[in-house]
Amino acid sequence: KQEVTQIPAALSVPEGENLVLNCSFTDSAIYNLQWFRQDPGKGLTSLLLIQSSQREQTSGRLNASLDKSSGRSTLYIAASQPGDSATYLCAVVYSGAGSYQLTFGKGTKLSVIP
Amino acid sequence: SQTIHQWPATLVQPVGSPLSLECTVEGTSNPNLYWYRQAAGRGLQLLFYSVGIGQISSEVPQNLSASRPQDRQFILSSKKLLLSDSGFYLCAWSVDSNTEAFFGQGTRLTVV
Repeated sequence: KQEVTQIPAALSVPEGENLVLNCSFTDSAIYNLQWFRQDPGKGLTSLLLIQSSQREQTSGRLNASLDKSSGRSTLYIAASQPGDSATYLCAVVYSGAGSYQLTFGKGTKLSVIP
Repeated sequence: SQTIHQWPATLVQPVGSPLSLECTVEGTSNPNLYWYRQAAGRGLQLLFYSVGIGQISSEVPQNLSASRPQDRQFILSSKKLLLSDSGFYLCAWSVDSNTEAFFGQGTRLTVV
């Protein structure tokens, strides 16, 4: 059974700081890994998708890396802003029971202090 | 472009009452569809997924059921709600394993 862990559970940083969020997974036989953002009381917004054959993906100030063999991914946020405050979730897709299911970590709650 | 609609946004229901949450996807055909639940302090739990009309797989034995009467419509139901059914329910879709999953805005269900 795939398990996804995100550390830390919560993180508070001053505005402008660069930061790294961590995600680890137990089964390296994944198809891809996806990072999401969730604002309080809202749905999930997809940030980045990394295919299993890729090492990293970039979008604006965000950079996600994937090391499938070690079961790890990181989300790097450059020059953090108060608007980045949200919960960040990582999820992996692996084939289970004939479909492609997302297995989520519990998230890292990020607070960027002005 | 593809969009996903989920309603209602919030719902307060008494214990023992029925439930019907609806999710529709526009702009794509034959999507994989998913229902997740997010309980306070817990991660997202996959409840049901569907790879086609009438094809439903259940991940967790529970008081809920799902149906897919049309290609882009996914419904979550219960005949009699329990207090433990309270939570934030999210519908999602994807094309296949190598594309992004997209989520609706969720339904906050409170069973009283």
